[in-house]
Amino acid sequence: AQSVTQLGSHVSVSEGALVLLRCNYSSSVPPYLFWYVQYPNQGLQLLLKYTTGATLVKGINGFEAEFKKSETSFHLTKPSAHMSDAAEYFCAVRGSGGYNKLIFGAGTRLAVHP
Amino acid sequence: DTGVSQDPRHKITKRGQNVTFRCDPISEHNRLYWYRQTLGQGPEFLTYFQNEAQLEKSRLLSDRFSAERPKGSFSTLEIQRTEQGDSAMYLCASSLGGGARNYGYTFGSGTRLTVV
Repeated sequence: AQSVTQLGSHVSVSEGALVLLRCNYSSSVPPYLFWYVQYPNQGLQLLLKYTTGATLVKGINGFEAEFKKSETSFHLTKPSAHMSDAAEYFCAVRGSGGYNKLIFGAGTRLAVHP
Repeated sequence: DTGVSQDPRHKITKRGQNVTFRCDPISEHNRLYWYRQTLGQGPEFLTYFQNEAQLEKSRLLSDRFSAERPKGSFSTLEIQRTEQGDSAMYLCASSLGGGARNYGYTFGSGTRLTVV
């Protein structure tokens, strides 16, 4: 069965500091991995995804993530945080059985301080 | 193309009432999904349509829940005899076809349901 664990429900950084949001997954099939961002009272927006190929994936808004099979991880990073990055971030893995179903983690709320 | 649209954005209802939500996917997308998100949690899969066919339903979708996509375009999600535990954000998403390149679908802004 597929599952996602996001370490740290809340992360706080200073503006300009490195952002690191952690995600570990479990999957019985080759994993497809995703990061989404959700602003208050909004739906989810895809930041980036890994399906096959290069393990370092670049996304929108300066975010990137690296797929590490040996560590079953897909951590999200951004070199320099901006105030507008404050939001909730969700890691997801594709479900089994086809149909493009996604299994989400519980989310990490990122706060950015001046 | 304005993305995935959901209506209403907010719904407050009394326990025991029926509610219906609507989702309009991106026009060329043949796959449509419903997810439920409760406070402090990630979205949980409810059901999936390919065109008008409902191909998968989660165990979360009790008998009080029904979803339709009658012409393979918009979809409705109805909850009968609402309970306080149904209070959540209901998210709709759509995608074009299958395969790796179509993973990571487009979400709507959701309908927030509050049952009082």
